[in-house]
Amino acid sequence: EVQLVESGGGLVQPGGSLRLSCAASGFTFSSHWMHWVRQAPGKGLVWVSRIRPDGTTTNHADSVKGRFTISRDNAKNTLYLQMNSLRVEDTAVYYCARDRLNGPTLFDSWGQGTLVAVSS
Amino acid sequence: DIQMTQSPSSLSASVGDRITITCRASQSISTYLNWYQQKPGKAPKLLIFGASSLQSGVPSRFSGSGSWTDFTLTISGLQPEDFATYFCQQSFNVPPTFGQGTSVEIK
Repeated sequence: EVQLVESGGGLVQPGGSLRLSCAASGFTFSSHWMHWVRQAPGKGLVWVSRIRPDGTTTNHADSVKGRFTISRDNAKNTLYLQMNSLRVEDTAVYYCARDRLNGPTLFDSWGQGTLVAVSS
Repeated sequence: DIQMTQSPSSLSASVGDRITITCRASQSISTYLNWYQQKPGKAPKLLIFGASSLQSGVPSRFSGSGSWTDFTLTISGLQPEDFATYFCQQSFNVPPTFGQGTSVEIK
């Protein structure tokens, strides 16, 4: 069974940093593109970042470019999101999501999410 | 970025009803369109990919259609467990973008 378990969320002040983790199991982690998607309270889904299976290519949404960094450790089956210079508008539930093995991007498995709250 | 617009934003329906949700892309995306269901406090779940292909394990009362810029999600015979929010998402290019969601509520 595919499992994605996020951790690392919490309350942080504006300008602060957090690192999210997503532990993957039940599939060959090193074969899949992986993503972070966020959802502000009561709002819709917004794609944040993605990373190639071997970690050599990453992409980030313009709203987080230069502040967030996605990475992965295939030996540990873990995905990360380093978030720096956090802003109030970054407050959201952050989901890690698996991309299907082949073809255009779609999110076929999701974690339960971890809440990041940015407030003074 | 490709903008995805869903309508309606919310709808009320009864168990057994047939409902349709529309998703429109700001440019042609062929059939690179996916649908997700999200229940309160839960992660989204993939329902349909490639505009009309049913994800494994999803009941056949869910169906999708459309191409280019206009797409629909239909639920034929609404069940109590179908009351949720539905999102479309384009996979034509990066960044992948979502519609704002359609909340399906019990009448």
